[in-house]
Amino acid sequence: QSALTQPASVSGSPGQSITISCTGTSSDVGGYNYVSWYQQHPGKAPKLMIYDVNNRPSGVSNRFSGSKSGKTASLTISGLQAEDEADYYCSSYTSSGTLPFGTGTKVTVL
Amino acid sequence: EVQLVQSGAEVKKPGESLKISCKGSGYSFTSQWIAWVRQMPGKGLEWMGIIYPGDSDTRYRPSFQGQVTISADKSSSTAYLQWSSLKASDTAMYYCARSGSYRYFDYWGQGTLVTVSS
Repeated sequence: QSALTQPASVSGSPGQSITISCTGTSSDVGGYNYVSWYQQHPGKAPKLMIYDVNNRPSGVSNRFSGSKSGKTASLTISGLQAEDEADYYCSSYTSSGTLPFGTGTKVTVL
Repeated sequence: EVQLVQSGAEVKKPGESLKISCKGSGYSFTSQWIAWVRQMPGKGLEWMGIIYPGDSDTRYRPSFQGQVTISADKSSSTAYLQWSSLKASDTAMYYCARSGSYRYFDYWGQGTLVTVSS
């Protein structure tokens, strides 16, 4: 069972927008609108940032947004800030009833 | 306030058994799924499996099936992850996470670091 594919790293300058992709198959990302995104700072537990493709939990900045097209989901961070530097993981429900994570993306604020 | 509080760090030898815990509070423990997630040193997140404490319905990622056991005690609102014979490769941080409607993980425990070394 393969993990969802994410770019290893993405970088941007403060104020810019960046997008992280999460590519799966028709059995996971492409088959369900159940994609979620997590932010993890070093030494900390992950934090839910987006659920069900494009919904933000209460308290999460509206600079974070999600979308999906076919078998690829995306997380966009607009107005990039220093505090956004972290690892980001996607996750998707699958037809097997599992909830695998993506390979992870390290976001660097230049 | 929803909280998941995990048991403390463990140092074990290969071949030993271990059971770590995750106590939920601030919500109905029996009506939300609890998942376990592994993070090996310097690596990404891996979904291990999930349990519904209400009826102990448990699902495992195939690669973890038979390697660990997930359980829950409704009376103490606690979920567990256990090993019968640890290996050095089990060294990792283990997180429990509440899974809203089996679609995402909305609350996380603080993590339990398990170190297996001879």
